[in-house]
Amino acid sequence: DQQVKQNSPSLSVQEGRISILNCDYTNSMFDYFLWYKKYPAEGPTFLISISSIKDKNEDGRFTVFLNKSAKHLSLHIVPSQPGDSAVYFCAALNNAGGTSYGKLTFGQGTILTVHP
Amino acid sequence: DAGITQSPRHKVTETGTPVTLRCHQTENHRYMYWYRQDPGHGLRLIHYSYGVKDTDKGEVSDGYSVSRSKTEDFLLTLESATSSQTSVYFCAITATANSPLHFGNGTRLTVT
Repeated sequence: DQQVKQNSPSLSVQEGRISILNCDYTNSMFDYFLWYKKYPAEGPTFLISISSIKDKNEDGRFTVFLNKSAKHLSLHIVPSQPGDSAVYFCAALNNAGGTSYGKLTFGQGTILTVHP
Repeated sequence: DAGITQSPRHKVTETGTPVTLRCHQTENHRYMYWYRQDPGHGLRLIHYSYGVKDTDKGEVSDGYSVSRSKTEDFLLTLESATSSQTSVYFCAITATANSPLHFGNGTRLTVT
């Protein structure tokens, strides 16, 4: 019973183009969402987050969009760079329930490959 | 890696043996977490701690126990390892309840 789903196991993009990673969730109580990036043999690192009171959050080349009615969020990377090649995980929590940001429900991850 | 050290980095053990994984942090953060990463499942929370001797269960806690006798150390114990516990284990820390997690580099455990 996967409450957070990343249905694309992998994505291949040319350098300089846009990368769009998608994430769907089923639990309507989730109200805070995060994206993590993971390189091989390393732990995940925090990338960007968004609260359910917003529909967009931007940080440099990274933008996260949230569509609450569709229970869908996406991460846009523009322009994509070879160093962005990694596994990307989306994660969610019910912040209003007093849950700490550490008690996350993660998606399965999407492997992004950016070709030079 | 935010001052987090996981040991060992790799371990192979036999079914039925006890195993303890260690997470050591130098950040003096209050909150510590153990996650496991498996293909098709992403990361799943095993146990977490809100302070010394204050621990609680996560989503997949069966077969695991934890201890936190000092702020800097969070131990994960598999009392009797099973093949289903073959996984990559990540420790994570946060300073406050509303801070994003900082992860260690993981321990790859293989149970044969």
